[in-house]
Amino acid sequence: EAGVTQFPSHSVIEKGQTVTLRCDPISGHDNLYWYRRVMGKEIKFLLHFVKESKQDESGMPNNRFLAERTGGTYSTLKVQPAELEDSGVYFCASSQSGTQYFGPGTRLLVL
Amino acid sequence: GIQVEQSPPDLILQEGANSTLRCNFSDSVNNLQWFHQNPWGQLINLFYIPSGTKQNGRLSATTVATERYSLLYISSSQTTDSGVYFCAVDAGGTSYGKLTFGQGTILTVHP
Repeated sequence: EAGVTQFPSHSVIEKGQTVTLRCDPISGHDNLYWYRRVMGKEIKFLLHFVKESKQDESGMPNNRFLAERTGGTYSTLKVQPAELEDSGVYFCASSQSGTQYFGPGTRLLVL
Repeated sequence: GIQVEQSPPDLILQEGANSTLRCNFSDSVNNLQWFHQNPWGQLINLFYIPSGTKQNGRLSATTVATERYSLLYISSSQTTDSGVYFCAVDAGGTSYGKLTFGQGTILTVHP
């Protein structure tokens, strides 16, 4: 069974540009989560999808971040426009119930 | 929100030694997971353990939910055990599914 996959693995962009991160959850998992770790800080929750619906988006930092989950399958997280403080590692996780399984993360660097 | 504290922040061992990592949390939890972040940055799920004791090879974990702590035991440590160990909890209720992470314990195992 394939695990959670994320694309791209790394992204380097300039301030003001747009970046879109993609997450493919484990097949059959209704729950999909986004987290991020910015430099020197803890891993923080961003939002939680149940199928295609946003269950909890309390961790989204501001309206420059937009997450979607088309048809309850893969999810995208768009940052527009990117700022320097958005640099960090963005993790996606999925679960059916209980255990959350994490993807390898996308390392985003905003210059 | 719920607070998660891990100790010690850093731990240096010789290969073959045993160690105990601790995770304290400030409220009752629905879910508790231990992760190992390997040198490539991937979060590997070790245990899903909201209560009780589990063992997997040289690793075991115990969560005492009534006293709000969890312990991760590593026996006969190996250099491949090096990395960051995270504890993460889900407080349930309106924040069901949202994992709150501790700051991690950085483990270094020398040959």
